[in-house]
Amino acid sequence: QVQLVQSGAEVKMPGASVKLSCKASGYRFTSYYLQWVRQAPGQGLEWMGIIHPNGDSASYSQKFQGRVTMTTDTSTSTVYMDLSSLRSEDTAVYYCVRSYDILTAYDYWGQGTLVTVSS
Amino acid sequence: EIVLTQSPGTLSFSPGERATLSCRASQSVSSSYLAWYQQKPGQAPRLLIYGASNRATGIPDRFSGSGSGTDFTLTISRLEPEDFAVYYCQQCGTSSRTFGQGTKVEIK
Repeated sequence: QVQLVQSGAEVKMPGASVKLSCKASGYRFTSYYLQWVRQAPGQGLEWMGIIHPNGDSASYSQKFQGRVTMTTDTSTSTVYMDLSSLRSEDTAVYYCVRSYDILTAYDYWGQGTLVTVSS
Repeated sequence: EIVLTQSPGTLSFSPGERATLSCRASQSVSSSYLAWYQQKPGQAPRLLIYGASNRATGIPDRFSGSGSGTDFTLTISRLEPEDFAVYYCQQCGTSSRTFGQGTKVEIK
């Protein structure tokens, strides 16, 4: 069965960086795009960016341009999301999601990773 | 950026009732790119509807989606206890995908 298994919770100081991982299984990794969506405590969903599974192209929300980098490792079917210059407003649950195409809905979601930014 | 407005923020129903949720876009959205998700406390969202009216795999037929242009609707024909949750609409047809702020469906 399709699974997206994310790395564990992180606690970071303001100004630090965090790198999250999401390991895919149960399907052909190179056939689906991977995207990241976050959700601040008690808030709604916010799209961060998308990456081709081969890792050769990525597109980011303007809000995160310059702070986010998404990469993939096809040998381990894993996607990574690196977010730098963390601030308290980045405290959120981060989800990796799968989509068949660039503009299609997200049919599978990871379990989420809580990132807490606090001094 | 397309803004999606879901109102009201909370709706109260009794089990067995029919629920109609609204999602209004600040500009026209192609039906192909309008989706609905359900989220329960402590869980990741789950895809319900894609392409405005297509049920995702495994979604019961009491869930249906409709609409076009700037007005979209999610209908739950008869609420089951497990349907009380938060529902989000999303447009994924532009370079900046956006979500509505969500509608909570609670038990009356």
